Amino acid sequence: DIQMTQSPASLSASLGETVTIQCQASEDIYSGLAWYQQKPGKSPQLLIYGASSLQDGVPSRFSGSGSGTQYSLKISSMQTEDEGVYFCQQGLKYPLTFGSGTKLEIK
Amino acid sequence: QIQLVQSGPELKKPGESVKISCKASGYTFTDYAMHWVKQAPGKGLKWMGWINTYTGKPTYADDFKGRFVFSLEASASTANLQISNLKNEDTATYFCARLEHADYFDYWGQGVMVTVSS
Repeated sequence: DIQMTQSPASLSASLGETVTIQCQASEDIYSGLAWYQQKPGKSPQLLIYGASSLQDGVPSRFSGSGSGTQYSLKISSMQTEDEGVYFCQQGLKYPLTFGSGTKLEIK
Repeated sequence: QIQLVQSGPELKKPGESVKISCKASGYTFTDYAMHWVKQAPGKGLKWMGWINTYTGKPTYADDFKGRFVFSLEASASTANLQISNLKNEDTATYFCARLEHADYFDYWGQGVMVTVSS
């Protein structure tokens, strides 16, 4: 199975701050990576797919990058509505696997 | 618009069974596989497997072989998850999700909280 190691587990950011979350795959996943945001009591929402493609309707302050085994999600200017838990997910091979999540809070 | 609407919360005793549903609308049901994802309280996401909505063939992740059954009511654009012989560790929220381009989930159901308690 492909293991997804996500870091940090939690972080707090000030309004307007740039935030970066990392995800490392245990093998090359050829950009088959998605990022999701989950708010309490809600289902995950797709932010980024194919490592860097922005899902329709997602604010442009979100961006994804990376290749091979190393990927990152960047929020260019933290907003209050960006609080939540962020997960990465690899889609290259079954079983599909997720990172353990990053809890993002406003400082 | 595309929606996946799941059934309501369930409270069950150990050893009982539960069946939860996921009704799709706004797209052709048989064009996309339906996947199931488990989230234990305060924990991360765990992929359970998927069902081919065209053939009805299910595929289960290793940890979900035996007590878990994926099924369809294709005429009703509905996918079901049945869990038998419930255990305390089955307490979780179960999501259905549509897989796009064979690698990411673009639509999710709202989730069904299943609580197993004596």
